[in-house]
This record gives sequence, structure tokens and C-alpha cells, in this order.
Amino acid sequence: AQSVTQLGSHVSVSEGALVLLRCNYSSSVPPYLFWYVQYPNQGLQLLLKYTSAATLVKGINDFEAEFKKSETSFHLTKPSAHMSDAAEYFCAVSEGFGNEKLTFGTGTRLTIIP
Amino acid sequence: NAGVMQNPRHLVRRRGQEARLRCSPMKGHSHVYWYRQLPEEGLKFMVYLQKENIIDESGMPKERFSAEFPKEGPSILRIQQVVRGDSAAYFCASSPSRQGASTDTQYFGPGTRLTVL
Repeated sequence: AQSVTQLGSHVSVSEGALVLLRCNYSSSVPPYLFWYVQYPNQGLQLLLKYTSAATLVKGINDFEAEFKKSETSFHLTKPSAHMSDAAEYFCAVSEGFGNEKLTFGTGTRLTIIP
Repeated sequence: NAGVMQNPRHLVRRRGQEARLRCSPMKGHSHVYWYRQLPEEGLKFMVYLQKENIIDESGMPKERFSAEFPKEGPSILRIQQVVRGDSAAYFCASSPSRQGASTDTQYFGPGTRLTVL
């Protein structure tokens, strides 16, 4: 069985500061890992994904995440927060190879302080 | 290339009525997934379908819920005799995954927000 834990349901950072959103996963097989962003009353948009290639994954809008197998983590970072980054962020895991259903974390709401 | 389309965007039903949610996958995508998001929670997998086949329905409630993805037309998530606890956002995602290929990205629709009065 697979699961995802997102530490911190709410994170606030100042505009221009570093963004760090935490995600730890559990999977019985090498995982495929994803970060999605959800703006109010909208669907989910893929930020980036890890599928066993490079451990440092770069996504859209200067977001990146690093896969650390020893820590079972896939934290999302952005060097400098922008007001438009305010949204809900979801980490997700799948087993791939015919079992692509996504298991989501409970989400982290990111607030940007002007 | 149009994205995943869902309709209606908002649906209001009274207890005991039926709700039908539609999802048109992206062009060229033959795999559809349905997820449910309860207020203040993450998304929970419900069902995974390919054309005319249910591949995985391990997340579907045993009663009142059904899904289909016919050869022609959109995928339909049907909820019979709705109750207040069914109020949620229902998201559809599609992917172009081919058998034996590694995971392809799931592209999400804007969701249908169901309110049961």
C-alpha cells in the first residue's frame, strides 16, 4: 500500500522568501511522485513529477523537488516566493506500470505575505 | 488541444435524487480516473476506466455509485439516491498511457462541485 504525508496543512512565507513544502511517502515499490497545485475552485495542475530518472526534478514556475530515497521524501521548493504562488499544493504517489492511480496527501495551503 | 472537460461545473441535488457527472478526456487519451475531494481534504481515488472496461474500482463506495466509459461519448459517474455526505468536488483525470508503458501524467479537469440539499 502507498501513502503520502504532507507536514503542515498551512504554510506562510513572505514574498521573495524561500518556499519549502514537505512530503514524505510510503510505497512498497519504487514510487512515481508528483506535485500538483490547485487554485481556488479549479482543477489540479501538474507542477513536476519524478519517474526514476534524475533525483532533482525541475518543474514549472521555478519549482523543484528532490527525491531522497533514504528519507522517503520529495519536498517541494522554490527560491523566491511570488504572490501568485498562493494556492493549495498536493503531493501524490503512484506505483506506475499498470497501477497508475494516484494517492494524494491532504494538501498544504500556501499563503504569501506581502 | 482542449483539456479535460467536465460538466456540469456545479450540480445541486436534493436527497434521494440521482447525480450524473460527465467527463470528456483529452483528445487521444483512453484512460480516465475519477477522484473525490471532500471539504478540507485531499483527493481520494475512486475508479480507473479504459474504454468499455473498469480497470480498478477499489475506491468506489459499494452502493449507489457506478461509472462507465463507453466506446463513444464521455465517461459518466453516476450517484443514485444522493445523501448529504456525497457533497464534494468530483474530479476527472485522463492519461494517454499505453499498456506496458511507465506512468504518464494525469491531466485533471476543473471538477464538478456537487451539493446535496
